[in-house]
Amino acid sequence: QQPVQSPQAVILREGEDAVINCSSSKALYSVHWYRQKHGEAPVFLMILLKGGEQKGHEKISASFNEKKQQSSLYLTASQLSYSGTYFCGTEEETSGSRLTFGEGTQLTVNP
Amino acid sequence: DAGVTQSPTHLIKTRGQHVTLRCSPISGHKSVSWYQQVLGQGPQFIFQYYEKEERGRGNFPDRFSARQFPNYSSELNVNALLLGDSALYLCASSLPRASGQETQYFGPGTRLLVL
Repeated sequence: QQPVQSPQAVILREGEDAVINCSSSKALYSVHWYRQKHGEAPVFLMILLKGGEQKGHEKISASFNEKKQQSSLYLTASQLSYSGTYFCGTEEETSGSRLTFGEGTQLTVNP
Repeated sequence: DAGVTQSPTHLIKTRGQHVTLRCSPISGHKSVSWYQQVLGQGPQFIFQYYEKEERGRGNFPDRFSARQFPNYSSELNVNALLLGDSALYLCASSLPRASGQETQYFGPGTRLLVL
């Protein structure tokens, strides 16, 4: 069963913040976050491992709540280049390295 | 360093035909996974290969098959193409989970159109 992402879409003005959530009903080993621009392949943003720390770099960070099997991606002071569709990919404890992706969150940053 | 490469970039086929897609992983990566992405949806797992052995298979019909070669490159084969097979096919390479660095890096994809 695929993870559920929310919101489905969000529109921001440059400089505003956003949070994208990812929730799974399975016991997870890790959560992977990607951004995909139209017509391109997904680009890796970060990975959060079970038992690991909150990850982040520059203005994008993420957290993983192992008890709730939920992850959140935090985008602060958004830039025009942040526009795209964000996907979380979940890796289950027992599924090996296969990723199950959510439906995606479409993020639009306007000037 | 070269990333994941895939060929061809675009392909147009007709129903009933067969197609072979190719993928070369990042140097040093022995694991290759294939995903299908239909427009407007997230990627869906098809296969994973590690050290030339199939390690996982998604919910796809037997028309889909794959293999991995001694140099860790991989092929995805789809027989008896259907209109619904039209999609972006993505290949991802990674190190094994035991390495603690199992990030999957995607190639540019092959866009398949079945007419």
